[in-house]
Amino acid sequence: NFMLTQPHSVSESPGKTVTISCTRSSGSIASNYVQWYQQRPGSAPTTVIYEDNQRPSGVPDRFSGSIDSSSNSASLTISGLKTEDEADYYCQSYDSSPWVFGGGTKLTVL
Amino acid sequence: EVQLVESGGGLVKPGGSLRLSCAASGFTFSSYSMNWVRQAPGKGLEWVSSISSSSSYIYYADSVKGRFTISRDNAKNSLYLQMNSLRAEDTAVYYCARGIVGATGADYWGQGTLVTVSS
Repeated sequence: NFMLTQPHSVSESPGKTVTISCTRSSGSIASNYVQWYQQRPGSAPTTVIYEDNQRPSGVPDRFSGSIDSSSNSASLTISGLKTEDEADYYCQSYDSSPWVFGGGTKLTVL
Repeated sequence: EVQLVESGGGLVKPGGSLRLSCAASGFTFSSYSMNWVRQAPGKGLEWVSSISSSSSYIYYADSVKGRFTISRDNAKNSLYLQMNSLRAEDTAVYYCARGIVGATGADYWGQGTLVTVSS
């Protein structure tokens, strides 16, 4: 099995760009798709990126996903930050043992 | 519009049982895998179980294997989670989530139902 490691928290100002990383401990990050989920306080998760870099309908193009094989990590980038983007963000991938989640990153927009 | 509505949560004593349901609408339920994911108070997301569209493939997290049973009724557009031998550490909000076609993850989530295991 493998682990996905995310920073515990990040903060940035409105209008700026922030990137949240998700590093896979073993096996290639490119071997299995990575998803990103947003969870606002008191709400259920929603999907903001699936299959590494695909946005579900309704998710603004300020959200983008990518993978980097050299660092064996995935990234979620949010540009033009808004206060409504303040939330917990979780990466998720899989291998033979379905569904591995990262520990989550708390994004503060201040 | 895709909707997933969980029900069946509540307070149960350690060792007790509970059955969660998830009513799906707005899509062809029988074409999608379905999943349960939970979140303990103040903690992160934890995958619990997955079931393929025709129930041919079923998976469980090690933490619930042998105690929980996932099932579905495609005629009723419903997903279930039978939880037996409940423990305090099973206390969590349980989310129903639709599987992504071609990948292992979720594209739509329900609002969740709270399960509290306490004496």
